[in-house]
Amino acid sequence: RKEVEQDPGPFNVPEGATVAFNCTYSNSASQSFFWYRQDCRKEPKLLMSVYSSGNEDGRFTAQLNRASQYISLLIRDSKLSDSATYLCVVLNQAGTALIFGKGTTLSVSS
Amino acid sequence: GAGVSQSPSNKVTEKGKDVELRCDPISGHTALYWYRQSLGQGLEFLIYFQGNSAPDKSGLPSDRFSAERTGGSVSTLTIQRTQQEDSAVYLCASSPGPPLGQGNGELFFGEGSRLTVL
Repeated sequence: RKEVEQDPGPFNVPEGATVAFNCTYSNSASQSFFWYRQDCRKEPKLLMSVYSSGNEDGRFTAQLNRASQYISLLIRDSKLSDSATYLCVVLNQAGTALIFGKGTTLSVSS
Repeated sequence: GAGVSQSPSNKVTEKGKDVELRCDPISGHTALYWYRQSLGQGLEFLIYFQGNSAPDKSGLPSDRFSAERTGGSVSTLTIQRTQQEDSAVYLCASSPGPPLGQGNGELFFGEGSRLTVL
């Protein structure tokens, strides 16, 4: 089983839609989780950390379910500029590196 | 510059040749990482430097791959006797320093070096 698994998509949604991405991780001892965003042929950039209690940043909400080893990202009121690949990221057990999922591709159309 | 700088941005080489990829991290960042991203694949961790030492080199795929960092700054990733499966974008990232964790998960990536092995 891969360390971090995501549905690759693509998710094709109209502007204004709400879309949710899911991610599972294999190491139950993992402590830190993040979502990164990668635009086409660009480098990845941190979108947000994922906290145990769930956290929100504007239109973006991240949730963590430790029991199910499951992380989610919800995007409300999608914008054209949200079109990108969203990477689920888990800190490895040694605390030395971030482990990236393959990403979920989102395409928002007008 | 203010960001992570990588060179070359593109490299085309013949199978069997050696290549060197360079990374200049953000000034003052003590942690440096190398990842690679193949077409349709996720980012694959290669090696982590803290200062000049590499506490985690578990991601290097074979002994053809090596990396060093000098002066706590610039790092070089060397691939010897390149193979076609080495073709990928090699991404370098830096961060202010350990520990990575909750509230401190930001790696600053360079634009990458795209390696094509013919």
